[in-house]
Amino acid sequence: QVTLRESGPAQVQPTQTLTLTCTFSGFSLTANGMCVAWVRQPPGKALEWLALIDWEDDKFYRTSLRTRLSISRDTSKNEVVLTMTDMDSADTGTYYCARTRQADYAFEYWGQGALVTVSS
Amino acid sequence: SYVLTQPPSVSVAPGQTARIPCGGANIGTKTVHWYQQKSGQAPVLVVYEDNERPSGIPERFSGSNSGHTATLTINRVEAGDEADYYCQVWESDPDSDLSFGGGTKLTVL
Repeated sequence: QVTLRESGPAQVQPTQTLTLTCTFSGFSLTANGMCVAWVRQPPGKALEWLALIDWEDDKFYRTSLRTRLSISRDTSKNEVVLTMTDMDSADTGTYYCARTRQADYAFEYWGQGALVTVSS
Repeated sequence: SYVLTQPPSVSVAPGQTARIPCGGANIGTKTVHWYQQKSGQAPVLVVYEDNERPSGIPERFSGSNSGHTATLTINRVEAGDEADYYCQVWESDPDSDLSFGGGTKLTVL
């Protein structure tokens, strides 16, 4: 059974760095073709892909946010970590981690999401 | 990045057919996935690789993709189908990038 769960602060202050952790089970991120991604959703708005890390530890980022994002993994803990620097109120939203595969990049499994509010 | 265009809303009566378009330049040459997101919940994959259904998704859900438009079709619409629907593609040329459409709110009248 595949599960993913996001964890991190519910609130961060403007200009701070956000660190979110995705803890997963039921699969190995080192298995051929396996990937984990982060997707966010501002309140009342559309889904927005942020970053993806694959089984070979290759990393991909949303072009417009590339300078602010970093994705990494700890395969021994089954964790994927996303950091986003210089947080702003526009970054308020629900952050999801999701599993996909290199075969087609469809997100088959999602975490329940973590709501992050940027406010002083 | 690749732009996917969806109408903000689609309305349909119960038992009728809902068609949700997703427009993009030559989208017919790309692989499209569709997600259903009910209020307050995480998205759920309902169609992948243009027209395949994951296990557990009713046969009423289907997809097509040709030219500049991909379409999610929901036959015999039920009240429980009311949700936001998103299309999604992955591009690897020239740069790796993943795009979602703006989402379509399906209202069951």
